[in-house]
Amino acid sequence: DQQVKQNSPSLSVQEGRISILNCDYTNSMFDYFLWYKKYPAEGPTFLISISSIKDKNEDGRFTVFLNKSAKHLSLHIVPSQPGDSAVYFCAASLITGANSKLTFGKGITLSVRP
Amino acid sequence: DTAVSQTPKYLVTQMGNDKSIKCEQNLGHDTMYWYKQDSKKFLKIMFSYNNKELIINETVPNRFSPKSPDKAHLNLHINSLELGDSAVYFCASSLGQPWKTQYFGPGTRLLVL
Repeated sequence: DQQVKQNSPSLSVQEGRISILNCDYTNSMFDYFLWYKKYPAEGPTFLISISSIKDKNEDGRFTVFLNKSAKHLSLHIVPSQPGDSAVYFCAASLITGANSKLTFGKGITLSVRP
Repeated sequence: DTAVSQTPKYLVTQMGNDKSIKCEQNLGHDTMYWYKQDSKKFLKIMFSYNNKELIINETVPNRFSPKSPDKAHLNLHINSLELGDSAVYFCASSLGQPWKTQYFGPGTRLLVL
């Protein structure tokens, strides 16, 4: 049962343009969402997060949008750079609860063309 | 000054063998995790330890046994390895609750022949 879905396996964009990476979730109890970035042969690294009480969080070129009613979040990268080429994982969690854990999607491979 | 380190980075072994993967973090975190990334690329939590105590144990075969000798280390021992255990195993750590930023190791690529 995939509670976090990243339905597009890959995305290719031109350098300088916007990259939009989408993520859907099924568990309405999730209240904290994160994006991780992963280069080949390395572990994931934290990129940006958003609490369910917000609908937008921005950090430099990265913005995450949350639409709770649609159970959808997206990561916008503007402008995209070749160094952004990586796999991006969406993750969701519960803040409260004894067994809070991160549930990950299967990732989206972003390629930014020079 | 690696934050989260894992050894070995690659592990090739035969079915039925027993192997261990070690993880160490120097971030002063109190919570550590093991994740498995299988061929379908999903990152799935296996175990979580907080201050050396097991707090999450997903439906993982009991051939997998984590051990946390102290807050900075979480090792994973696997008995009687099977073909389906082939995957990339990631160790991670965080300060406090799992929803806080987790720092991942580089992964251990396990191939069971």
